[in-house]
Amino acid sequence: AQSVTQLDSHVSVSEGTPVLLRCNYSSSYSPSLFWYVQHPNKGLQLLLKYTSAATLVKGINGFEAEFKKSETSFHLTKPSAHMSDAAEYFCVVSDRPSGTYKYIFGTGTRLKVLA
Amino acid sequence: EPEVTQTPSHQVTQMGQEVILRCVPISNHLYFYWYRQILGQKVEFLVSFYNNEISEKSEIFDDQFSVERPDGSNFTLKIRSTKLEDSAMYFCASSEQGGDTQYFGPGTRLTVL
Repeated sequence: AQSVTQLDSHVSVSEGTPVLLRCNYSSSYSPSLFWYVQHPNKGLQLLLKYTSAATLVKGINGFEAEFKKSETSFHLTKPSAHMSDAAEYFCVVSDRPSGTYKYIFGTGTRLKVLA
Repeated sequence: EPEVTQTPSHQVTQMGQEVILRCVPISNHLYFYWYRQILGQKVEFLVSFYNNEISEKSEIFDDQFSVERPDGSNFTLKIRSTKLEDSAMYFCASSEQGGDTQYFGPGTRLTVL
């Protein structure tokens, strides 16, 4: 069965410093992996998606993630945090047990950005 | 940019009452989904819907739940007799034909008293 594990429930960084949000996955086949962001009182916004075309995936707002099959990881990074990045981030794997896909979510990582 | 919308943003109801949560998916999308997030817990899949029928449902989606696409634009989730444990944020999502990228609405916070 597919699953994802987000290794940190909370991460705090100072504005202008790098961000690293960690995600490990478990999959019996080549997975589709996603990162979504949820700002307070907002919906889930797609940051980026991995579907085997390239192991380094660039997303919106300067975020990127690297798929490492040997480590079963899909960590999200950003070189320089901005105050507006404060939000909850979800790592997601897409499963397709039947004709349609369903998402399996990680438990989320709340990012705090300090001034 | 097209987006998924949901109404209401917050619904308060008494235990045992029926509620209907409404969603308007992105117009050219053909696959529709409901997820829920109980406070402090992870987002969980409830049901997927395609071609006017349920494609898959989780074990959470019991006989108290139903989904419907009553017209060409709306997608609804009905809970027949709400329980306290149904209190959660409910997210609607949609995706294109053959695509596994899902686009989410802002959610409806359901509070059952």
